Order: sequence, then C-alpha cells, then structure tokens
Amino acid sequence: AQSVTQLGSHVSVSEGALVLLRCNYSSSVPPYLFWYVQYPNQGLQLLLKYTSAATLVKGINGFEAEFKKSETSFHLTKPSAHMSDAAEYFCAVRPGYSSASKIIFGSGTRLSIRP
Amino acid sequence: DVKVTQSSRYLVKRTGEKVFLECVQDMDHENMFWYRQDPGLGLRLIYFSYDVKMKEKGDIPEGYSVSREKKERFSLILESASTNQTSMYLCASSPPASTEAFFGQGTRLTVV
Repeated sequence: AQSVTQLGSHVSVSEGALVLLRCNYSSSVPPYLFWYVQYPNQGLQLLLKYTSAATLVKGINGFEAEFKKSETSFHLTKPSAHMSDAAEYFCAVRPGYSSASKIIFGSGTRLSIRP
Repeated sequence: DVKVTQSSRYLVKRTGEKVFLECVQDMDHENMFWYRQDPGLGLRLIYFSYDVKMKEKGDIPEGYSVSREKKERFSLILESASTNQTSMYLCASSPPASTEAFFGQGTRLTVV
C-alpha cells in the first residue's frame, strides 16, 4: 500500500526567502512521485514529477524536488519565494509497476507569502 | 491540451436526493478517478476506474457508486445524499502509469 505524509499544514515565508515543503512517502514498490499546486477555486496543476530517472527534478515556476530513497522523502523547494506562489501544494504517490494504479495524495500544505 | 470537464462547478441538493456528478475527458485515457477534497484532509480517493466497466474502490467508497459505460465518461453517484457529503469533488484522468493525472475544475456540492 502507498501513503503520503506532508509535514506542516501551513507554511509561511517572506517574499524572497527559501520555500521548503516536506513530503514523506511509503510504498512497497518503486514509486512515482508528484507535486501538484492548487490556486483558489481551481483544479490541481502538476508542478513536477519523479519517474525513476534523475533524482533531482525541476518543475515549473522555479520549483524543484529531490527524491531520496534512503529517507523516503520528496521535499519541494524554491530558492526565492514570490507572492504568486501562495497556494495549496499536494504531494502524491503512485506505484510504478502497473498501468492501472491509484494515485494517493497527502493532506496538503498551504503556503503563505509575507510581503 | 488535455481537457477534463466536470458538468457543474456548483451544486446544491437536498438530503436524500440521488445525485449524479459527471466527468468527461477528451484524451482517450484508460484511467479515471474521483476524489473528494476537504480542508485538512487533502484529496481522498473515492473510486478509480482503469477501463470501461472496470472499477476499484478507493479509501472512502461508502455512500458512493460509479459508472463507466464509455471510455471518456466517468460518473459519480450519491445514492442518497447526506449532509456529510458536502464537499469539493475532483475528477481526474491519466494514461497508463508513469505519467501524472489531469484534473477537472471541481464540483462544489452542498447538501442541505
């Protein structure tokens, strides 16, 4: 079975500061991992994904994440926060062995940016 | 661009009503999903379909059923709506594993 834990339901950083959103996963098979962003009153948009290629994955809007198998982590970072980054962020896991597989999401982290 | 369309953005229904939430995707994806989203709980999987007429229960299937008669359409059915089913419902589709899911805009359902 797969599961995802996002540490911190709400993170607040100053504009220009480092953004770090934490995600730990559990999976009995090699996983695929994703970060999604949700802006108010919208659906989810993919930020980036890990599918067993490079462990450091770059996404849209300057975000990146590093897959660390030994720590079962996939933390999301951005060197310098922008006001437009304020949104809710979801980490998700999917088993990579089957073409018919569920995607399991974490509980989300709301990111606020202080001027 | 992949398009996942949910039939309504907002719905208000009465307790005990039978409610249909419709989702259509235009990319011939095999996999389709229904999630509900509640504050502090993230997205919880209700049902998953990996082919026409094929379905699998997610983490919270109680009180819901689904129908997939055509590849492009995946319907979520609340047999007898209750107030604890007031939530945001999100539909998604994806091709076979190794890629992400594409989401619709969501349906905010209020049961009164």
